Amino acid sequence: NAGVTQTPKFRILKIGQSMTLQCAQDMNHNYMYWYRQDPGMGLKLIYYSVGAGITDKGEVPNGYNVSRSTTEYFPLRLELAAPSQTSVYFCASSYRGDVNQETQYFGPGTRLLVL
Amino acid sequence: GQSLEQPSEVTAVEGAIVQINCTYQTSGFYGLSWYQQHDGGAPTFLSYNGLDGLEETGRFSSFLSRSDSYGYLLLQELQMKDSASYFCAVRDASKLSFGAGTTVTVRA
Repeated sequence: NAGVTQTPKFRILKIGQSMTLQCAQDMNHNYMYWYRQDPGMGLKLIYYSVGAGITDKGEVPNGYNVSRSTTEYFPLRLELAAPSQTSVYFCASSYRGDVNQETQYFGPGTRLLVL
Repeated sequence: GQSLEQPSEVTAVEGAIVQINCTYQTSGFYGLSWYQQHDGGAPTFLSYNGLDGLEETGRFSSFLSRSDSYGYLLLQELQMKDSASYFCAVRDASKLSFGAGTTVTVRA
């Protein structure tokens, strides 16, 4: 299994440009997440999805959009990029069944620089 | 909402024991997780406590007291490769909320 994959690894955007960060998982996980991590900080949840067709906002959703048409893919869209969106973006997935324990598996991250 | 507090930095020598405390406030609580992140890497899962008590996984142990809204991660027999950031995370019904992380530096 490849686990959670993310593309691109690194990107430079100009202010006002748009882009889509790709995320895919091959573990048949029902939950998927997008986080951003600023230097020296923890992870902030942007959006999450509990299954195909269902998404919900996290702590910092402004300036982002997501969709989840299939179990495997969970792209994150940045519209009108701003310098404040310079960060490292992590996608994660997990399986939630009946037990409370949940392990999130993270992708390698996308480093985004907005100039 | 959730808030978590953990120390920002800890430094110790190889072979030592380090305890990273985490206190939390949450509107709904399912359990406390710990993740490790090496510099430039992705977070990886270390442990989970859903019930009070101690969970042991090799050199790492994690403890939870739900009544005190408190937990800790214990790193024993520290090795250079344990130099990393460690995050506690509170799970509620829908998501994880992460603390700001504790940077552990292991010196020779």
